[in-house]
Amino acid sequence: DAGVIQSPRHEVTEMGQEVTLRCKLISGHNSLFWYRQTMMRGLELLIYFNNNVPIDDSGMPEDRFSAKMPNASFSTLKIQPSEPRDSAVYFCASSLGLGQGNTGELFFGEGSRLTVL
Amino acid sequence: AQTVTQSQPEMSVQEAETVTLSCTYDTSESDYYLFWYKQPPSRQMILVIRQEAYKQQNATENRFSVNFQKAAKSFSLKISDSQLGDAAMYFCAYRNAMNRDDKIIFGKGTRLHILP
Repeated sequence: DAGVIQSPRHEVTEMGQEVTLRCKLISGHNSLFWYRQTMMRGLELLIYFNNNVPIDDSGMPEDRFSAKMPNASFSTLKIQPSEPRDSAVYFCASSLGLGQGNTGELFFGEGSRLTVL
Repeated sequence: AQTVTQSQPEMSVQEAETVTLSCTYDTSESDYYLFWYKQPPSRQMILVIRQEAYKQQNATENRFSVNFQKAAKSFSLKISDSQLGDAAMYFCAYRNAMNRDDKIIFGKGTRLHILP
């Protein structure tokens, strides 16, 4: 069974450019989380979805960030326009919805390292 | 709001020795999950161990075990017979067991060094 798949693994872009990060959930999972990791701030939850519906986006830094789930198995995180302070590793993670007999763990993708020059 | 605190930014342990990583959390909920994740240099996040709050028995997974103190809101990780491959960043995490607010909150991590 394939795990959570993120693309691209690495992205280098210039300030002001649009960046789109992609995530494919594990089949059957219906919760999706986007995290950002930096040395200074650790792992920050940006947004999470249950059954394609955004539940909590309070961690999204500002209007330049947006996330969507166009279908049950796929999500995008978009930054427009990008800034150097957005440089970080962005992780996507999925899980089964609670109440389905699962034990609540997240399954992570390998992360997308973003560098904004 | 729930919080997770890891008070040890870095720790070192001699190979084959035992080390304990600390984690405390704050919540008003009674039903939740706790996790330890490992992040080696490859940056892949790997689940080490999980604990359901309603279970009094401490979880164990081979060389890894936890000391779960629900009243004290403490969840420490013990690694026995430390190996070089245990060197990594370790994150403690909390998740509500209620569907209305089941986001997972991570601590800031503890970097573990294994001394040969």
